[in-house]
Amino acid sequence: QQQVKQSPQSLIVQKGGISIINCAYENTAFDYFPWYQQFPGKGPALLIAIRPDVSEKKEGRFTISFNKSAKQFSLHIMDSQPGDSATYFCAAHWTGANNLFFGTGTRLTVIP
Amino acid sequence: ETGVTQTPRHLVMGMTNKKSLKCEQHLGHNAMYWYKQSAKKPLELMFVYSLEERVENNSVPSRFSPECPNSSHLFLHLHTLQPEDSALYLCASSRTSGVGELFFGEGSRLTVL
Repeated sequence: QQQVKQSPQSLIVQKGGISIINCAYENTAFDYFPWYQQFPGKGPALLIAIRPDVSEKKEGRFTISFNKSAKQFSLHIMDSQPGDSATYFCAAHWTGANNLFFGTGTRLTVIP
Repeated sequence: ETGVTQTPRHLVMGMTNKKSLKCEQHLGHNAMYWYKQSAKKPLELMFVYSLEERVENNSVPSRFSPECPNSSHLFLHLHTLQPEDSALYLCASSRTSGVGELFFGEGSRLTVL
């Protein structure tokens, strides 16, 4: 059973546009929701993370929106740039667990 | 060297071969992980070591055998693999086990013929 469901599988956005990637979960024990960014030939790297006590977290052009009642969270990339082209993974974790449950990834392409 | 280093970056092996993947972390972390990455699938946790002790074995077939001689090094020994084992194998580390932020290496791309 997939713990975290991610959509869309792929996304094409014009330069300067907004990229939105969505994730949903069922397990209410999750208390940490990170997003990882992976460029071709590289390992994933932490981009931004949120805990469920806040509804939004912003770091530069990247924002996580969190809806605890709906058990959904999303990544918004404002003013998307070609350098943002990568695969993005959402994930979820609960305190004390050894596993980080990942979504299936979204391949983002930003067209110049 | 900084971060998490994996070798080899690419490996092609037959089903009867024995090979090993190596991971080294230079971050002073206490936990190390092996993940399997296949196309269109979530990253799949295989093993977790905390202070050189295995704390998680995620129902991985015995043809994959991990080894953690110290907190900086992690190996994945491979033998009699199947073609469906072809994937990118990622090593990661974190300050302690149970912590969400993982630092990944660039991976070892394995092809089983």
